[in-house]
Amino acid sequence: EAGVAQSPRYKIIEKRQSVAFWCNPISGHATLYWYQQILGQGPKLLIQFQNNGVVDDSQLPKDRFSAERLKGVDSTLKIQPAKLEDSAVYLCASNPSGRATDTQYFGPGTRLTVL
Amino acid sequence: DQQVKQNSPSLSVQEGRISILNCDYTNSMFDYFLWYKKYPAEGPTFLISISSIKDKNEDGRFTVFLNKSAKHLSLHIVPSQPGDSAVYFCAATYPGRKSNFGNEKLTFGTGTRLTIIP
Repeated sequence: EAGVAQSPRYKIIEKRQSVAFWCNPISGHATLYWYQQILGQGPKLLIQFQNNGVVDDSQLPKDRFSAERLKGVDSTLKIQPAKLEDSAVYLCASNPSGRATDTQYFGPGTRLTVL
Repeated sequence: DQQVKQNSPSLSVQEGRISILNCDYTNSMFDYFLWYKKYPAEGPTFLISISSIKDKNEDGRFTVFLNKSAKHLSLHIVPSQPGDSAVYFCAATYPGRKSNFGNEKLTFGTGTRLTIIP
């Protein structure tokens, strides 16, 4: 079974530039998550999708971050414009149902450096 | 507000000995707890979980203990092996806002870097 795919793996941009990350979850998984992991901290949920609908985006900085999952499969997370504090690893995860008792499977992440 | 805390950023243990990783939480509504393991340049992988109706759960070399009154859980690895060297994250969740789809958000701790010394 293929795992969660993410691209790119690394990205370096200057502040005020835009950047986009892509995620393809495990086939058949209805729930998709985007997390932000700042160095020295644990992953923090940014947004959760159930199929193509948003379930939770309470911690997404909506003035600069946006995400979509148009066909209920793969997803894109965008930052526009980026700030220095956005430097982090962005992790995508998927889960068959959205319940915590079902395992969340994580992708390898995209490491973003904002200069 | 850090609701899940891992106060030891790092831990070194001799191969073959027991590794004990600790986690404390402040939100008494949390009722399901998980441990994830993370290798460099990889995403976290699920290791073991425990529901608040239990105080212990075992899976091979890994055992998680839950002390609800102290709001504390620990992960025991015995015997420790070099391949166990990784960052371990504790996570917690509670029923919260449930929809038909399920919405049990995980709150992660800051992680403990475990190094197993051969």
